[in-house]
Amino acid sequence: DAMVIQNPRYQVTQFGKPVTLSCSQTLNHNVMYWYQQKSSQAPKLLFHYYDKDFNNEADTPDNFQSRRPNTSFCFLDIRSPGLGDAAMYLCATSRDWDTQYFGPGTRLTVL
Amino acid sequence: QKEVEQDPGPLSVPEGAIVSLNCTYSNSAFQYFMWYRQYSRKGPELLMYTYSSGNKEDGRFTAQVDKSSKYISLFIRDSQPSDSATYLCAMKGEAAGNKLTFGGGTRVLVKP
Repeated sequence: DAMVIQNPRYQVTQFGKPVTLSCSQTLNHNVMYWYQQKSSQAPKLLFHYYDKDFNNEADTPDNFQSRRPNTSFCFLDIRSPGLGDAAMYLCATSRDWDTQYFGPGTRLTVL
Repeated sequence: QKEVEQDPGPLSVPEGAIVSLNCTYSNSAFQYFMWYRQYSRKGPELLMYTYSSGNKEDGRFTAQVDKSSKYISLFIRDSQPSDSATYLCAMKGEAAGNKLTFGGGTRVLVKP
């Protein structure tokens, strides 16, 4: 089945220790998104790639960066995680600006 | 004021009842309206997708959009305990590049 896959599903890191979250997709969609979702809140868009073009939301902290080495994969790098970065991180994909399909998420804990 | 307002709930109903969910919004440019279901500790799953005003039915689910009132609804008929989840509305405008604006989600609990 075509899908959006996120690894790991659960990630524990220490305060200030860099962490990388991974997303892959078999949908062959050209747009990939990263969202942050805190408990009982709506997903908050961090950035997206339209093909190879990277688009950062204005209020995304510099601590968050992303890489997209090819169509299928996208990574979220958190350079120095703080306690406030503990959240669910969701990857989504779409064909152009059509419907977004979400992965299962990675729950990040910062100790 | 948020662009999209959604009652957080929780909304508790007995099994078999109709679940009624809604969102209001302020941006008249929104043209595409979606409902996502999100189980605890999982990613959102697309349930319904509608364009502009009108109704759309898919099995036990009916989505309604009233653009004149800036109001959208989702109805779940014959609710099941497996429908217990958080339901997020989302919407976006017509222009290419417009991103989704989400409501905060309504938590639904269907009791057996």
